[in-house]
Amino acid sequence: DVKVTQSSRYLVKRTGEKVFLECVQDMDHENMFWYRQDPGLGLRLIYFSYDVKMKEKGDIPEGYSVSREKKERFSLILESASTNQTSMYLCASSPWGGRGNQPQHFGDGTRLSIL
Amino acid sequence: AQKVTQAQTEISVVEKEDVTLDCVYETRDTTYYLFWYKQPPSGELVFLIRRNSFDEQNEISGRYSWNFQKSTSSFNFTITASQVVDSAVYFCALSEGLGSGGSNYKLTFGKGTLLTVNP
Repeated sequence: DVKVTQSSRYLVKRTGEKVFLECVQDMDHENMFWYRQDPGLGLRLIYFSYDVKMKEKGDIPEGYSVSREKKERFSLILESASTNQTSMYLCASSPWGGRGNQPQHFGDGTRLSIL
Repeated sequence: AQKVTQAQTEISVVEKEDVTLDCVYETRDTTYYLFWYKQPPSGELVFLIRRNSFDEQNEISGRYSWNFQKSTSSFNFTITASQVVDSAVYFCALSEGLGSGGSNYKLTFGKGTLLTVNP
């Protein structure tokens, strides 16, 4: 079974802090994704990466950056945390294989609160 | 641009009832993929099914079935004889088959339907 592990289940940080959310997958997947989930808004894509050191902006990249130095690890960085970044953050991975037809596998999520 | 609409925000049923979750999608591509995910209270999204745009056959897996109709751009999900363990948020998602770079791997999610199955 695919295992996507997010470093923290719950995290509390202060406004202005630099925050790192870590995600590791154990299935040698090429693609990795970061989403945030908010009530009434569903899942929105922040950034994704389809190869080491490669990244592309998703739908809501403002205020975030990412790092993918190794294939199995994808980090989401909040450069200067703000209260409107309080949310559930979900990491996912998927393999290459055809054109967009592979399901993404998700971690358990990190519930981040910015005070 | 692609879009997924799940018009039902919340549904509540009594155990053993059948329930259908609606999903309507928009895309300009002829090649695309549709997915359903389940998110139980524990939070992890669980993959349920994938369907590509060239395969309109309906699918049944135990108590779950899916009805894909390109003519109405719908991909509805039915749970037969619902159980309390089916209580979750269900998401429909779309991935277009064309795009630059890795963008064809992006998923666009609907806002989800909260299903509550009462004993």
